[in-house]
Amino acid sequence: GAVVSQHPSWVICKSGTSVKIECRSLDFQATTMFWYRQFPKQSLMLMATSNEGSKATYEQGVEKDKFLINHASLTLSTLTVTSAHPEDSSFYICSASPPGASSYNEQFFGPGTRLTVL
Amino acid sequence: GNSVTQMEGPVTLSEEAFLTINCTYTATGYPSLFWYVQYPGEGLQLLLKATKADDKGSNKGFEATYRKETTSFHLEKGSVQVSDSAVYFCALSRTGNQFYFGTGTSLTVIP
Repeated sequence: GAVVSQHPSWVICKSGTSVKIECRSLDFQATTMFWYRQFPKQSLMLMATSNEGSKATYEQGVEKDKFLINHASLTLSTLTVTSAHPEDSSFYICSASPPGASSYNEQFFGPGTRLTVL
Repeated sequence: GNSVTQMEGPVTLSEEAFLTINCTYTATGYPSLFWYVQYPGEGLQLLLKATKADDKGSNKGFEATYRKETTSFHLEKGSVQVSDSAVYFCALSRTGNQFYFGTGTSLTVIP
């Protein structure tokens, strides 16, 4: 199946700094990628839809100025957590589907990035 | 709107026990239904899926049947193994893009 990678797999940063997380589709092009946040022992919460060549679409309650998304190419989307604070500590997961996605298609998920803000 | 409700965990079973994890959904139209599994320290992996009513998805001994009349997609396995210990997520999608996940059910299988 299709492979989605994320980098880094884990990161620790100081409060007030910014952290960039990369999501790559390794063997297919993805015009759309998705960013999720997963709190401990909870489900995935969709944060935003990343669209190649255009602005991301954010879910209600997600601060777009805090979580900057850039979908620079058909295989790369980045999520930057700006001025991170301890409450931003979480597991961030991206996903993507090969072109021509329909309701029959699965999403392929990256392995996730564990962010810890001290 | 679209939503998924899963039975809360954690669930602890002895090896070779029967597993059922309940999942019900609310959706407009005719969604596809999925079960994803997340092993410790890893990302989500597709376990099985069903795309229309009465379809049965199956993989690795797990099964789930798309029941439109009860809006359910319960996950079952006849004999669990220690290696099945993971968190299981029920999900639906209408477009293949946006997915709606349940809260996840943690399963621990003890020898």
